[in-house]
Amino acid sequence: AQSVTQLGSHVSVSEGALVLLRCNYSSSVPPYLFWYVQYPNQGLQLLLKYTSAATLVKGINGFEAEFKKSETSFHLTKPSAHMSDAAEYFCAVSDTGGFKTIFGAGTRLFVKA
Amino acid sequence: ETGVTQSPTHLIKTRGQQVTLRCSSQSGHNTVSWYQQALGQGPQFIFQYYREEENGRGNFPPRFSGLQFPNYSSELNVNALELDDSALYLCASSLGAGEADTQYFGPGTRLTVL
Repeated sequence: AQSVTQLGSHVSVSEGALVLLRCNYSSSVPPYLFWYVQYPNQGLQLLLKYTSAATLVKGINGFEAEFKKSETSFHLTKPSAHMSDAAEYFCAVSDTGGFKTIFGAGTRLFVKA
Repeated sequence: ETGVTQSPTHLIKTRGQQVTLRCSSQSGHNTVSWYQQALGQGPQFIFQYYREEENGRGNFPPRFSGLQFPNYSSELNVNALELDDSALYLCASSLGAGEADTQYFGPGTRLTVL
């Protein structure tokens, strides 16, 4: 069965610093992987997705993630944090058959001025 | 293009009651998935509807049921509400039911069970 683990329920960075949010997955088949962002009292918005076309995936708002099969990881990065990046971030894997997406527990990103 | 909408925004019910939540999918999307997001947790998959048929179900009891209509809007019904049903309920629509299909989420319905 597929699963997702997000390391660190809370991450705090200074404005302008590197953002690194960690995600490890478990899957017996090549996975489809996603990162979503959720702002307070809102639904989830897709940042980027990995569908096996390229291991380095670029998303919206300057975020990118690298698929590393050997490490079963899909960490999310952004070179320079902005105050508006403060939100909850979810890593997710799509189950075989496509009908079920499994989400991690989420990482809350705090950005300090 | 209208995004995914959900109604109502907030709802308060008492234990044992029944509730119906509604979702209008994005134009052109034939697939709707429902998720339950408890406070401080990630969304948990409830079920998915594809072209009016249930296309998969997560680990939720039968008192969670759904419908998808010919216009691809959808309902989530929960009978015999329990306190643990208090959560944000999210629906997401997509062009298809494939693994790589992007899901577009609505803002959610916040259900409180007293």
